[in-house]
Amino acid sequence: KAGVTQTPRYLIKTRGQQVTLSCSPISGHRSVSWYQQTPGQGLQFLFEYFSETQRNKGNFPGRFSGRQFSNSRSEMNVSTLELGDSALYLCASSLSGSQSEQFFGPGTRLTVL
Amino acid sequence: QKEVEQNSGPLSVPEGAIASLNCTYSDRGSQSFFWYRQYSGKSPELIMSIYSNGDKEDGRFTAQLNKASQYVSLLIRDSQPSDSATYLCAPNTGGFKTIFGAGTRLFVKA
Repeated sequence: KAGVTQTPRYLIKTRGQQVTLSCSPISGHRSVSWYQQTPGQGLQFLFEYFSETQRNKGNFPGRFSGRQFSNSRSEMNVSTLELGDSALYLCASSLSGSQSEQFFGPGTRLTVL
Repeated sequence: QKEVEQNSGPLSVPEGAIASLNCTYSDRGSQSFFWYRQYSGKSPELIMSIYSNGDKEDGRFTAQLNKASQYVSLLIRDSQPSDSATYLCAPNTGGFKTIFGAGTRLFVKA
């Protein structure tokens, strides 16, 4: 069974630009959660989607948004990039939501210059 | 008070010893508890889940949960150098949100 895939793996952007990251969950999994990981803050919850509905959102500004498609693939978007958005963005796939076991993708490393 | 507290380490143990990793959490509504292992430069990998008070064993790993004390731990028996990684404690608050601790760095000396 294929694992969680994320594209792209690496991105370099400049301040003010926007970026879209993609996540394909494990086949049959209906939930995708997104996390931001930085050395100083650790793993921070961004949002969780289940069957195309956002069920929860972390404490991030509105520049961070996401969506989930009918095939469970998910995208997250960050607009008006800031230097502090440089981080590893991880998505995690689960059968029924983050209250069950989550499986992480390899992540997208975003660098904002 | 942080939502999830872990000793950042590094915790250093000799090969073959038992490594004990501890975690406390603040949300009494938490029902699901997970331990993840993260190697440097890699994404987190699920190693244990526990939902009920008591112990749960899986190979060399034992997770222990005490909801009354809001405490969860992970024991690694016969520690190997390949166990050297950061271990993340992750309670789920029940509100479709899992909070990750900052992690404990474990170093197993050969």
